[in-house]
Amino acid sequence: NAGVTQTPKFRVLKTGQSMTLLCAQDMNHEYMYWYRQDPGMGLRLIHYSVGEGTTAKGEVPDGYNVSRLKKQNFLLGLESAAPSQTSVYFCASSYKRGSGEQYFGPGTRLTVT
Amino acid sequence: GENVEQHPSTLSVQEGDSAVIKCTYSDSASNYFPWYKQELGKRPQLIIDIRSNVGEKKDQRIAVTLNKTAKHFSLHITETQPEDSAVYFCAAINAGGTSYGKLTFGQGTILTVHP
Repeated sequence: NAGVTQTPKFRVLKTGQSMTLLCAQDMNHEYMYWYRQDPGMGLRLIHYSVGEGTTAKGEVPDGYNVSRLKKQNFLLGLESAAPSQTSVYFCASSYKRGSGEQYFGPGTRLTVT
Repeated sequence: GENVEQHPSTLSVQEGDSAVIKCTYSDSASNYFPWYKQELGKRPQLIIDIRSNVGEKKDQRIAVTLNKTAKHFSLHITETQPEDSAVYFCAAINAGGTSYGKLTFGQGTILTVHP
């Protein structure tokens, strides 16, 4: 049982490049989330999904797109990376009818130069 | 929507002292309050949580208290140890409502325990 995994762990992009971050969970969770974490800003929700084929905007969605084609995977895309998107990205998942506890992935450190 | 304020932003204590971190929330419908610990370079991990039908919960050296009337909850760590040094986040949610599991996090507290 791997829990929540993320790939890649680190990435450096040039401004304007695109990339996709992959999140996978093997706990059969219905809900999945993408956060970004910046110093002094805590965890801010980018997008979330309440089930396969559904996505919704969170607190800071601009510049990002997401897809959830399979229940176990949640992809975060950056179409044209900007330096302001330099951050640590965390994926998380939770049960629909659970306690509310979220399980986090190990994070992806992204630097945009 | 929910708003969670967390204080202090940094906390420095000597080993063996107690540490208290406080959070306030705005939505009276919130009923689940988890605390996460994030060590340097690691993922946030749940350390303790409390539901709105409980006023206090303890787990060894850590405890959480909830005051629903005042809409605030606190994390208490006793007999602190250097390995308690980390960033701590509080969060709130109306679990079971239409929040779709979306936790609202506080801004985090950097706790440093000096040997």
